[in-house]
Amino acid sequence: EDKVVQSPLSLVVHEGDTVTLNCSYEVTNFRSLLWYKQEKKAPTFLFMLTSSGIEKKSGRLSSILDKKELFSILNITATQTGDSAVYLCAVEVGLYSGGGADGLTFGKGTHLIIQP
Amino acid sequence: DVKVTQSSRYLVKRTGEKVFLECVQDMDHENMFWYRQDPGLGLRLIYFSYDVKMKEKGDIPEGYSVSREKKERFSLILESASTNQTSMYLCASSPDRFLSYEQYFGPGTRLTVT
Repeated sequence: EDKVVQSPLSLVVHEGDTVTLNCSYEVTNFRSLLWYKQEKKAPTFLFMLTSSGIEKKSGRLSSILDKKELFSILNITATQTGDSAVYLCAVEVGLYSGGGADGLTFGKGTHLIIQP
Repeated sequence: DVKVTQSSRYLVKRTGEKVFLECVQDMDHENMFWYRQDPGLGLRLIYFSYDVKMKEKGDIPEGYSVSREKKERFSLILESASTNQTSMYLCASSPDRFLSYEQYFGPGTRLTVT
């Protein structure tokens, strides 16, 4: 059974701190790993990672994938109260490239609270 | 542990067919959601429901309808399937009476429309 585990499950920090969120996985036929930020009713897409060791950046957020050790991290620097959200990690699986994935497994999320 | 199940993992339908995707959650959650996941587009909300017989349109409701006759069950209906509805469909539920971002996802249904 495919499994995605996120840690910590919740985290409270002060504005300006740097946080690192973790996502480890055990799946067959890995295709990609996705990070989402969930504040309201629909998660917002952040990153898609398919290759090891290549950091993706978007403003104060960055993420990297290690396909040998089967994990990814999401870093947020200089946190702001608007970063408070649940951060979801999901892994796409599938046998064939091109076209959609055959399955998608979500972790339980990390609930991040940024205190002013 | 919360369990959200979807009726099929894989489904192949022909253009014009009526398609039902079923989702069941076993934790008495108030809210249920249907999303589709497409490469490069992330998750997009189709419909959600915060109570039995209640439904709200999400971001991309066109071509879809939903039904929630019982609290634990939320069905997504494609009245006349089209090839652009080929996608991964994900159901989710959340516990709070008001919209909560603590959502639990099902395993997904990979729908192919030929």
